[in-house]
Amino acid sequence: GEDVEQSLFLSVREGDSSVINCTYTDSSSTYLYWYKQEPGAGLQLLTYIFSNMDMKQDQRLTVLLNKKDKHLSLRIADTQTGDSAIYFCAESNNFGNEKLTFGTGTRLTIIP
Amino acid sequence: NAGVTQTPKFQVLKTGQSMTLQCAQDMNHNSMYWYRQDPGMGLRLIYYSASEGTTDKGEVPNGYNVSRLNKREFSLRLESAAPSQTSVYFCASRARSAYEQYFGPGTRLTVT
Repeated sequence: GEDVEQSLFLSVREGDSSVINCTYTDSSSTYLYWYKQEPGAGLQLLTYIFSNMDMKQDQRLTVLLNKKDKHLSLRIADTQTGDSAIYFCAESNNFGNEKLTFGTGTRLTIIP
Repeated sequence: NAGVTQTPKFQVLKTGQSMTLQCAQDMNHNSMYWYRQDPGMGLRLIYYSASEGTTDKGEVPNGYNVSRLNKREFSLRLESAAPSQTSVYFCASRARSAYEQYFGPGTRLTVT
């Protein structure tokens, strides 16, 4: 079955860039997502990228996709204390597919 | 517009007891989902409903049942709770022609 892997923890100094990495195994993954979970809350979609794209930028967020290596990354520029959260990578292999496969989540801690 | 609501927020059960977790959405979404979140394991899909009147098993359905009561409501039932079902449960919904799943705030369940 599909597998999505992430490192569990990342610590970054306030003002630096954070880079959260994700690898996936399903070669037919077509849609890849980044969700953010703040403490005590549900998940919220941050951004997504299609497999025919290499990069997507949205304000402080940059998503890079290396389809050959099945590697996805999320870069947060100028990391702030409000960015402290768990970040989940998720994938699906076609639009309208009901099943998303989530990674384990990466807990981002900001060091003042 | 409350989005996705879940009740209760917290619950403690003894082994063997039963309970139903309630979920409702007011966004007229077709699809609804139940996930469980466990430390280090990300989110795993329990059951989903692609439309009113249909339900399908996800990755970890054993020990659970669901009912899609109407378009708004999707409930999750534990008939005989076990300690292995201690987890945080999230309900989510998605519109037919959309990428994003919207999550509720979660129910923290402890089975002793």
